[in-house]
Amino acid sequence: EIVLTQSPATLSLSPGERATLSCRASQSISSYLAWYQQKPGQSPRLLISDASNRATGIPARFSGSGSGTDFTLTISSLEPEDFAVYYCQRRDYWLFGGGTKVEVK
Amino acid sequence: QVQLVESGGGVVQPGRSLRLSCAASGFSFRTYGMHWVRQAPGKGLEWVAVISYDASRKYYRDSVKGRFTISRDSSKNTLYLQMNSLRAEDTAVYYCAKDLSLYDTGGPFDCWGQGTLVTVSS
Repeated sequence: EIVLTQSPATLSLSPGERATLSCRASQSISSYLAWYQQKPGQSPRLLISDASNRATGIPARFSGSGSGTDFTLTISSLEPEDFAVYYCQRRDYWLFGGGTKVEVK
Repeated sequence: QVQLVESGGGVVQPGRSLRLSCAASGFSFRTYGMHWVRQAPGKGLEWVAVISYDASRKYYRDSVKGRFTISRDSSKNTLYLQMNSLRAEDTAVYYCAKDLSLYDTGGPFDCWGQGTLVTVSS
């Protein structure tokens, strides 16, 4: 069974800083990876599909990269509304990673 | 716009049953795969079940196989999750979610409901 490991568990940054979140698969999953954002008390929101395709309405400061086993979600300059938990997900087996919380430093 | 509204959650004793519903609007429900995802209090997301657009394929996570049944009624634009033999570890917010691509079930999920809380406790 493929496992998705997200790191770090918590990322403490200030608004305006660059955030780099990692998702590592235990086996190659090609580019079949999505990223979601979840704010407290809210439902998840799709950010990125197929590793690098921004979903409709997602700001350009969010970008995804990677293939095979190593994937990255980058937020180029954190806005106040970006502080949230981020999850990666493998396509077809619907497995989620454990999440990375981006908190205000 | 696309909207998913869950209902049916509540407090239930271990071993009892509950049926969740998800009313869909704003898109062609009969042409999309649909999913249930849950989130235990303070925990991460956990996929539960998927049903194909035509209900011909259904898949479940191992821990709910034989206890949960996913179904859909395209005449009512509604997704269901019948949960039997509930356990304390099933306590979670349950979300329904729409697959991104037409006729697909692989994900990802581009629209989520607001969730409904299921609490299994004596």
